Amino acid sequence: DAGVIQSPRHEVTEMGQEVTLRCKPISGHDYLFWYRQTMMRGLELLIYFNNNVPIDDSGMPEDRFSAKMPNASFSTLKIQPSEPRDSAVYFCASSFSFYGYTFGSGTRLTVV
Amino acid sequence: AQSVTQLDSHVSVSEGTPVLLRCNYSSSYSPSLFWYVQHPNKGLQLLLKYTSAATLVKGINGFEAEFKKSETSFHLTKPSAHMSDAAEYFCVVSRGGATNKLIFGTGTLLAVQP
Repeated sequence: DAGVIQSPRHEVTEMGQEVTLRCKPISGHDYLFWYRQTMMRGLELLIYFNNNVPIDDSGMPEDRFSAKMPNASFSTLKIQPSEPRDSAVYFCASSFSFYGYTFGSGTRLTVV
Repeated sequence: AQSVTQLDSHVSVSEGTPVLLRCNYSSSYSPSLFWYVQHPNKGLQLLLKYTSAATLVKGINGFEAEFKKSETSFHLTKPSAHMSDAAEYFCVVSRGGATNKLIFGTGTLLAVQP
């Protein structure tokens, strides 16, 4: 099992550009989570899905952020337009019920 | 609502001495509790988890944690620290079930001195 796969590992973009982060969860897992990690705020849950359906998006900072899960093997987190304060490491995680959460290696986003 | 409090933001130990990272939780339900480790510029790795089975949980790399309901604690310990244990450690609570999401503590940075 390759684990949770995130791409890209690093992303540098200019303010105002659209950024798309990608995640492939572990096969068979029914939950998928997007987290953001910053020095100031630590780890924050942005949104999570159950069986491809968004359950709780209360952590999404604002309308510039959107997440989709078109099928069980793929999810995206999009920021449009991006701002410097969006710079962070974004983690995707998946789990089967509440057993065995597995995190991806993260995408380090820098918005200049 | 669930929450976790990590009592120490930084802990420094000497190599070969015991490690104690403290965590207290608050939960209205029987919680699931986890410890995750994050090495510099790396992702999060699960060390161990408690899901209402044995109260003493053994994890990877010689770490263990004991669930104490009376003290609402889930402290992480290791008998002898190794240089490679230097990392940030997160205590995490989850209600599980229909609201299956993790609530992270603020983290404890463990330094291991030679």
